[in-house]
Amino acid sequence: NAGVTQTPKFRVLKTGQSMTLLCAQDMNHEYMYWYRQDPGMGLRLIHYSVGEGTTAKGEVPDGYNVSRLKKQNFLLGLESAAPSQTSVYFCASSYSRGPYGYTFGSGTRLTVV
Amino acid sequence: KQEVTQIPAALSVPEGENLVLNCSFTDSAIYNLQWFRQDPGKGLTSLLLIQSSQREQTSGRLNASLDKSSGRSTLYIAASQPGDSATYLCAVRGSSGDKLTFGTGTRLAVRP
Repeated sequence: NAGVTQTPKFRVLKTGQSMTLLCAQDMNHEYMYWYRQDPGMGLRLIHYSVGEGTTAKGEVPDGYNVSRLKKQNFLLGLESAAPSQTSVYFCASSYSRGPYGYTFGSGTRLTVV
Repeated sequence: KQEVTQIPAALSVPEGENLVLNCSFTDSAIYNLQWFRQDPGKGLTSLLLIQSSQREQTSGRLNASLDKSSGRSTLYIAASQPGDSATYLCAVRGSSGDKLTFGTGTRLAVRP
């Protein structure tokens, strides 16, 4: 089925460990996004990309890095995980700017202990 | 900076009731507004997408309206059912087209 796939779905990290979250889409979307969702805070944009090889900071970029080496993939990295990064992470994609909606993945639940 | 507010934060209604969820945004320069549904522990499912030039969109028992000039949208759910229980999120895509800004959602519970 066409859509946005996130891996892994769940992960527990120890403080200071690193990890990479993978987002893959097969809809030929130009734009891709990483959001985090926390209770009472809603969804907040971490980083986004408007095309292969491009990345930009969102609302809460500190502690995260991203890469978009291929159009269909958008990677979110945590170099040194902190308990404050415990959250649910969602990836989304869209066609380029214009009257298009977003498609979301099913999320990655990350716990940092 | 675009800010999106959803009122009420939580709502509990008996089955069969018609209800309205509200969404307001501060910057009227938008491309579109999208309503999502999120079940507990799950991802976001798109319900309706309204373009800035449109006044409303309908899908089954759902109807979403948009008044861009006043910065408001409503999601109308007719004849509510227990299966409608979920969190409903609205999000606006700014005129720059790059980003989607979310409200914090309305948690709906429909009692049998």
